[in-house]
Amino acid sequence: NAGVTQTPKFQVLKTGQSMTLQCAQDMNHEYMSWYRQDPGMGLRLIHYSVGAGITDQGEVPNGYNVSRSTTEDFPLRLLSAAPSQTSVYFCASTNWGGDRGYGYTFGSGTRLTVV
Amino acid sequence: GDSVTQMEGPVTLSEEAFLTINCTYTATGYPSLFWYVQYPGEGLQLLLKATKADDKGSNKGFEATYRKETTSFHLEKGSVQVSDSAVYFCALSDQSNTDKLIFGTGTRLQVFP
Repeated sequence: NAGVTQTPKFQVLKTGQSMTLQCAQDMNHEYMSWYRQDPGMGLRLIHYSVGAGITDQGEVPNGYNVSRSTTEDFPLRLLSAAPSQTSVYFCASTNWGGDRGYGYTFGSGTRLTVV
Repeated sequence: GDSVTQMEGPVTLSEEAFLTINCTYTATGYPSLFWYVQYPGEGLQLLLKATKADDKGSNKGFEATYRKETTSFHLEKGSVQVSDSAVYFCALSDQSNTDKLIFGTGTRLQVFP
């Protein structure tokens, strides 16, 4: 009964490096999304996926790529890290259909620092 | 586009005081509304929700009523505790907009003994 699992919890990158933030859920949720949390700005949607093989851009997609090859996994890739990508990243998932008021389940976050 | 506006914090209260955190929204469809809570160093947890007009969500002594006429979803609690100190986020999920969850900027609550 893990819910949404994010790895790593902390990461420091140098400018220009690339990396992948992992997100996995075991609730068979169709909808998954990535957010970044910055002081005074709340959470902003980066990318989301409504099912395996389908992804779309959110509010702040530049500099990030995603893929959804399975229902369980939704990795977020930073192509060439920049200091502006220093943030806390959250992965979330939810179910479609029926009562959409299920709400989202969030992972515990990845704190990323780009130097 | 859809948006959520929350009162700015921090909100500072003494234990047992009454809490109100204001939240208003703009949406093109008929959204579901949520309050999430984030305790220090943790992810977001769903606190309560309402899926249609006049619904009241409640949990752990917190309440919020979906008011379509004023496009509001204010969070209230009659008697706060030190353990309620956290950041509270109002959010909406719009079924006519692919169910994306859109957040307000968050309101920090600090409760002192």
